[in-house]
Amino acid sequence: GEDVEQSLFLSVREGDSSVINCTYTDSSSTYLYWYKQEPGAGLQLLTYIFSNMDMKQDQRLTVLLNKKDKHLSLRIADTQTGDSAIYFCAETPYNQGGKLIFGQGTELSVKP
Amino acid sequence: ETGVTQTPRHLVMGMTNKKSLKCEQHLGHNAMYWYKQSAKKPLELMFVYSLEERVENNSVPSRFSPECPNSSHLFLHLHTLQPEDSALYLCASSQDPPSSGRHYEQYFGPGTRLTVT
Repeated sequence: GEDVEQSLFLSVREGDSSVINCTYTDSSSTYLYWYKQEPGAGLQLLTYIFSNMDMKQDQRLTVLLNKKDKHLSLRIADTQTGDSAIYFCAETPYNQGGKLIFGQGTELSVKP
Repeated sequence: ETGVTQTPRHLVMGMTNKKSLKCEQHLGHNAMYWYKQSAKKPLELMFVYSLEERVENNSVPSRFSPECPNSSHLFLHLHTLQPEDSALYLCASSQDPPSSGRHYEQYFGPGTRLTVT
């Protein structure tokens, strides 16, 4: 079955790095995603990684994928107060027709 | 601004009321979605529409009734809801419907915060 797990909260100081972790169950997922939800807004795609990659870097964001352990992480370098939001991990199990299966979200709080 | 709008943004309704949520996308997309977001729980996919046809119904109770009159508009008709239906209801759209092995991006609206009293 499909199940995506994330820790619910993370608190960091401004300027530090944040690492948000996610575990997923379906090894058939071809793409894995990170979405960001700011207060009062819907989800917005932040970045994604194809399953044959183990790392993807995009400016301050680094995604690491460990397929063996079914573990995905999102690292935000030099975290700013504007990064405070809820971050959702999502997988796309092949046998689910590519539907996004989301985790419960990690609320990132950045303190000045 | 993602190009997906939802109205109303907030709705309070009694269990015997009938109301509708509206979603409109201005992106020329062919697929639209309804999700339910409850606190500290994963997003739950409720319905998927592709070119105005319902292609997914995730065992949603019949008190939720979707309608997609055209590819730009999606409604969620609500009747005789329960207090546990209180949640944020998110609409999303994508260029094409989900397909195994292919990347696609969903664009989300800001949601309707529904409270059932």
